[in-house]
Amino acid sequence: EAGVAQSPRYKIIEKRQSVAFWCNPISGHATLYWYQQILGQGPKLLIQFQNNGVVDDSQLPKDRFSAERLKGVDSTLKIQPAKLEDSAVYLCASSLVAARGITDTQYFGPGTRLTVL
Amino acid sequence: AQSVTQLDSHVSVSEGTPVLLRCNYSSSYSPSLFWYVQHPNKGLQLLLKYTSAATLVKGINGFEAEFKKSETSFHLTKPSAHMSDAAEYFCVVSDRGGATNKLIFGTGTLLAVQP
Repeated sequence: EAGVAQSPRYKIIEKRQSVAFWCNPISGHATLYWYQQILGQGPKLLIQFQNNGVVDDSQLPKDRFSAERLKGVDSTLKIQPAKLEDSAVYLCASSLVAARGITDTQYFGPGTRLTVL
Repeated sequence: AQSVTQLDSHVSVSEGTPVLLRCNYSSSYSPSLFWYVQHPNKGLQLLLKYTSAATLVKGINGFEAEFKKSETSFHLTKPSAHMSDAAEYFCVVSDRGGATNKLIFGTGTLLAVQP
């Protein structure tokens, strides 16, 4: 079974530039998550999709971050404009379901390491 | 609010000796608890998970963890460390009573295994 795919693996940009990350979840997984992992910290959820609808984006900095999941499969996370503090690894994960009372395993991709200069 | 506290940021053991990585949790609901491992430049991999069945959970690669409600702990153990176990380990809590599958990660414990 293919895992969660992400690209690019590494990206270096200057502050105020824009950047986009792509994620392809495991086939058949309805739920997709984007996490931000700053060096020395655990991952923090940015946004969660159920099919192509947003379930939780409470920790997404909406003034500069946006995400979409067209057709309920692939997803793109964008940062515009980037700040120095956005330097981190951006992880995508997927799971079969996400519903009240159900704990489903999240499977993570390899991540995209972003460096903002 | 849910949270997890990993009590050690770094743990160093010798190959062949036991491993203990400590985790305490706080949750308003019946929690689900996980341990994930992250090797350098690789994605997070699930080691094991607790979802209210048996309190002693066995995972991959010889790891296991015990859920102790009275102590609000979920420590990860392995009887004998291998060099390949060197990695960062995250204790994670999920709110089973909530509407989402949101995971809350600890700050991680970096495990070093000495030959």
